[in-house]
Amino acid sequence: NAGVTQTPKFRVLKTGQSMTLLCAQDMNHEYMYWYRQDPGMGLRLIHYSVGEGTTAKGEVPDGYNVSRLKKQNFLLGLESAAPSQTSVYFCASSPPVNTEAFFGQGTRLTVV
Amino acid sequence: SQQGEEDPQALSIQEGENATMNCSYKTSINNLQWYRQNSGRGLVHLILIRSNEREKHSGRLRVTLDTSKKSSSLLITASRAADTASYFCATDAAGFQKLVFGTGTRLLVSP
Repeated sequence: NAGVTQTPKFRVLKTGQSMTLLCAQDMNHEYMYWYRQDPGMGLRLIHYSVGEGTTAKGEVPDGYNVSRLKKQNFLLGLESAAPSQTSVYFCASSPPVNTEAFFGQGTRLTVV
Repeated sequence: SQQGEEDPQALSIQEGENATMNCSYKTSINNLQWYRQNSGRGLVHLILIRSNEREKHSGRLRVTLDTSKKSSSLLITASRAADTASYFCATDAAGFQKLVFGTGTRLLVSP
């Protein structure tokens, strides 16, 4: 039972480079989320998806794009990385409303 | 802006004492959830309370919800050193189908 798996766990990027973070869940959950966590800021919602083929913006979507082509995967893309995107990124998934969310272990991204 | 704000930002207590954390939020909700995060790790779900519930218990945890004041509290009784972690409230805002987190409370329990 893998739950929610994030790939990679660590990454260092140079300013202007692009990358994709992969989130995979094996619980058949409808909802998936991408958050970023910065010191003293808690978790901020970047984008989320309520089902395969659908995505929506969260609190801090600028500089990020997402895709949910398959129900089990939610991809977060950075087209042109900036130092301000240095953060820890968490993916989560959940069934529909009134249920808990399950989190991955995080991806620590540094942009230099 | 974030939906939830926790208070206090940091709390330091001795083992055996109770720890109380508060959460305030801004809009109507379907439910409010509490999560725990150990340093550098992912979040783990602790307890969920629905908007029509006022109090809920789970082991040493007690959660209250006051929708008229848009606030919730998490009480951890008889704290242990292993309870040292950050605690976050999260709201499933009514009509929005998304989970939004507060800023968290850092709890330190000293032996």
